[in-house]
Amino acid sequence: AQSVTQLGSHVSVSEGALVLLRCNYSSSVPPYLFWYVQYPNQGLQLLLKYTTGATLVKGINGFEAEFKKSETSFHLTKPSAHMSDAAEYFCAVSGGYGGSQGNLIFGKGTKLSVKP
Amino acid sequence: KAGVTQTPRYLIKTRGQQVTLSCSPISGHRSVSWYQQTPGQGLQFLFEYFSETQRNKGNFPGRFSGRQFSNSRSEMNVSTLELGDSALYLCASSLALGDGPAGTQYFGPGTRLLVL
Repeated sequence: AQSVTQLGSHVSVSEGALVLLRCNYSSSVPPYLFWYVQYPNQGLQLLLKYTTGATLVKGINGFEAEFKKSETSFHLTKPSAHMSDAAEYFCAVSGGYGGSQGNLIFGKGTKLSVKP
Repeated sequence: KAGVTQTPRYLIKTRGQQVTLSCSPISGHRSVSWYQQTPGQGLQFLFEYFSETQRNKGNFPGRFSGRQFSNSRSEMNVSTLELGDSALYLCASSLALGDGPAGTQYFGPGTRLLVL
C-alpha cells in the first residue's frame, strides 16, 4: 500500500529565502508523485508531477522537486519565496493501477508562511 | 476551457438529513473522483467514476454514495448525516484516456458542508 509523509505541518520562511517542503513516500510499485497547492477557500492546484524519466521536475510558479528513489523522497523547493507562496502544500502518490486514474493518497499537508 | 465546477459551494444541514453534491468536470474529461477534506483526517479519497461506473472506492461507510451520468457529471450523496461529516468535499476530473495513474486530476473549489 502507498503512503505519504510530509515532515513539518508548518514552515515559515522570510521573503526571498529558500523554500524546502519535505515529502517521503512508501510504495510497492513505481510511484507517481504529485505536489498540489491549496490557497484559502479554494481547491487544489497542481504544481508538478513525477511519472517517469527525469528525476528533477520543474513546475509552475518557480517550484521544482527531485525524485530520489534511494531516499524515497520527493521534496519541493523554490529558490526565493514570495508572499504569494503562502498557502498549504500537499504531496500525493497515485494509488491507481492498470488503466485506472485511481485515487490520490495525500500527505497531511504543510502550511507555508512567508514573512516580509 | 472552464474548470471543474461544484455546486453548491456552501451547505448547512442538520444531523440525520441527507445531502446531494454536484460536480461538473472539465469538458472532455471522463473520470471524476471525490475527496473529503477535514482538519483531523486531511484529504481522503471517497470514490472514482469513469463512464458511469464506479472504478474505485475509499474506506467510507455506505452512507456515502455517488453516481456519474452519461455527460460525465457526477453527484455524491450522504445519507443520515453525522456531525463528523462536516468537511470540504472536493471533486476532481481527469481525462482517463491512457494516462492511467500518472494522469493529472484537476480539482474544483469544493463544497463546504456544515452539519449541525
